[in-house]
Amino acid sequence: NAGVTQTPKFRVLKTGQSMTLLCAQDMNHEYMYWYRQDPGMGLRLIHYSVGEGTTAKGEVPDGYNVSRLKKQNFLLGLESAAPSQTSVYFCASSYPTGGSGGTDTQYFGPGTRLTVL
Amino acid sequence: GDSVTQMEGPVTLSEEAFLTINCTYTATGYPSLFWYVQYPGEGLQLLLKATKADDKGSNKGFEATYRKETTSFHLEKGSVQVSDSAVYFCALSGYSSASKIIFGSGTRLSIRP
Repeated sequence: NAGVTQTPKFRVLKTGQSMTLLCAQDMNHEYMYWYRQDPGMGLRLIHYSVGEGTTAKGEVPDGYNVSRLKKQNFLLGLESAAPSQTSVYFCASSYPTGGSGGTDTQYFGPGTRLTVL
Repeated sequence: GDSVTQMEGPVTLSEEAFLTINCTYTATGYPSLFWYVQYPGEGLQLLLKATKADDKGSNKGFEATYRKETTSFHLEKGSVQVSDSAVYFCALSGYSSASKIIFGSGTRLSIRP
């Protein structure tokens, strides 16, 4: 199993340009997440999905859109990139084991480093 | 809302030293607690977790005990190695839908040979 993969690994954009980050998982996980990692701030949740065709906002959703057309894929879009979106983006997935739900482990991709000039 | 506070880094130790990274949390109810580790150039991976009070999570020589009375989940290792150099994140997940996780800001650990 490849686990969680992310495409691309690196990208440089100019302000105002658009792009889509792709996340794919082969573990048949129901839940998927997009985070951004900034120095000294840990990881912050952008959007998440609890199943195919469903998405929800996380802590910092502004400026981003997502889609989950297929269970194994979760796309993160930037319609008009801004320098404040320079960050490392991580995708993660998890499988709900039932019960409290809060015990589930998340599995992370290797990240995408995005620079917006 | 729920939050996690962990000691700021960077932390630099010599090989075979004892490690403690402090972590405290604020949450309603009884969250699950995690330590994730990020090696250079990689994504995060689960190091250990504890799902109820007094549970001890352990892995690769690391340990952390869920202390409800002090709302803490400190990470410890008796003898660190150069290969333990990484960023360590304390995190919690409450009784919410979608198993969302709240992360601390991370502690960078460097081990000198």
